[in-house]
Amino acid sequence: EDQVTQSPEALRLQEGESSSLNCSYTVSGLRGLFWYRQDPGKGPEFLFTLYSAGEEKEKERLKATLTKKESFLHITAPKPEDSATYLCAVQGTSGTYKYIFGTGTRLKVLA
Amino acid sequence: DGGITQSPKYLFRKEGQNVTLSCEQNLNHDAMYWYRQDPGQGLRLIYYSQIVNDFQKGDIAEGYSVSREKKESFPLTVTSAQKNPTAFYLCASSSGIANYGYTFGSGTRLTVV
Repeated sequence: EDQVTQSPEALRLQEGESSSLNCSYTVSGLRGLFWYRQDPGKGPEFLFTLYSAGEEKEKERLKATLTKKESFLHITAPKPEDSATYLCAVQGTSGTYKYIFGTGTRLKVLA
Repeated sequence: DGGITQSPKYLFRKEGQNVTLSCEQNLNHDAMYWYRQDPGQGLRLIYYSQIVNDFQKGDIAEGYSVSREKKESFPLTVTSAQKNPTAFYLCASSSGIANYGYTFGSGTRLTVV
């Protein structure tokens, strides 16, 4: 069964304190792995798509990496405006476009 | 600007009442989706549609119904058969190409009163 597990559930960082969020996945065949940012009471906002092990994508203070079993979202020198819930999702190759979402990591960056 | 519009932002449902959530997109996307989000759970797929006049059940379709009469519109009806409808509902669309991921609407929070 396809599955996505995100850790930690919640993370508090001081401004400027770099860290990483983890997304472990089990899928029969990976079509893509997606990272989203979600602010309270709003819909998720697309960040990155990763397709194959070894791939990396960057956007401002965020960098996403992918291995055969997990993905990391590295946050370098975070600012308070980076506070949000970060969601990971995988899309398998089993026929449909269905995504499997993780439960997210709630990030709080303190000034 | 292109995007997805969900309305209303907040909706209150009485026991035994059907309610309809609106979702409209002007991105010219073929595929549209409805998800439900509950605290501590990942997004769960209710229904999806890859083409006009066709849709498929997702993982938790019981108590919900949809229609796809126009490419731009994918309304969701929460029927009285849905016993626990209080949740945050998200509509999304995609071009069908995985490269760009989903575009989500801003959500509708449904509460049973």
